[in-house]
Amino acid sequence: AQSVAQPEDQVNVAEGNPLTVKCTYSVSGNPYLFWYVQYPNRGLQFLLKYITGDNLVKGSYGFEAEFNKSQTSFHLKKPSALVSDSALYFCAAVPSGGYNKLIFGAGTRLAVHP
Amino acid sequence: NAGVMQNPRHLVRRRGQEARLRCSPMKGHSHVYWYRQLPEEGLKFMVYLQKENIIDESGMPKERFSAEFPKEGPSILRIQQVVRGDSAAYFCASSLTGSGTTETQYFGPGTRLLVL
Repeated sequence: AQSVAQPEDQVNVAEGNPLTVKCTYSVSGNPYLFWYVQYPNRGLQFLLKYITGDNLVKGSYGFEAEFNKSQTSFHLKKPSALVSDSALYFCAAVPSGGYNKLIFGAGTRLAVHP
Repeated sequence: NAGVMQNPRHLVRRRGQEARLRCSPMKGHSHVYWYRQLPEEGLKFMVYLQKENIIDESGMPKERFSAEFPKEGPSILRIQQVVRGDSAAYFCASSLTGSGTTETQYFGPGTRLLVL
């Protein structure tokens, strides 16, 4: 079965420190990869996506993600965390050649402490 | 510049009643997707629709659930004879096109269904 894994339920970071939220995937072909963020009682907001090309993708709010094909990973990063980054982050994948059907990870809660 | 609209935002139903969830896609978008998020879990795909057509309903339960996206008006997700296990957040997303798999999906705020 195709799946996306986010191995950490929660990540705690001090404000100003770099942050990484991990994501690995097990999806057929060359998948397209996405990161979304969810604030309490809100919908998901699109952060960034990887389709092809440069392995480092830059997105909204200073976030970036690095695609690593050999490790089947797509980790989300930010050089300097803000308290306002505290939210639930979802990694998602779309298998190539299929309909635009997102396969989501279970989510990682990011807590940035002042 | 309205995004994806969903209503109601919160819906309470008793077991056996019907739930109707509505989704209006972003302006110009003609592709709609429904996802369900159970407590403490990620989102699970339910159905993908274009205007007047169901393209992929592989994630929909076989019974009690149906979806439509008429030529005019919002997309509707309908749950008949709700049970407590249907309690979840239901999210709608839309995209400009559905061709290929690179289109970004934009999500609505969700409808939180509680079945008593």
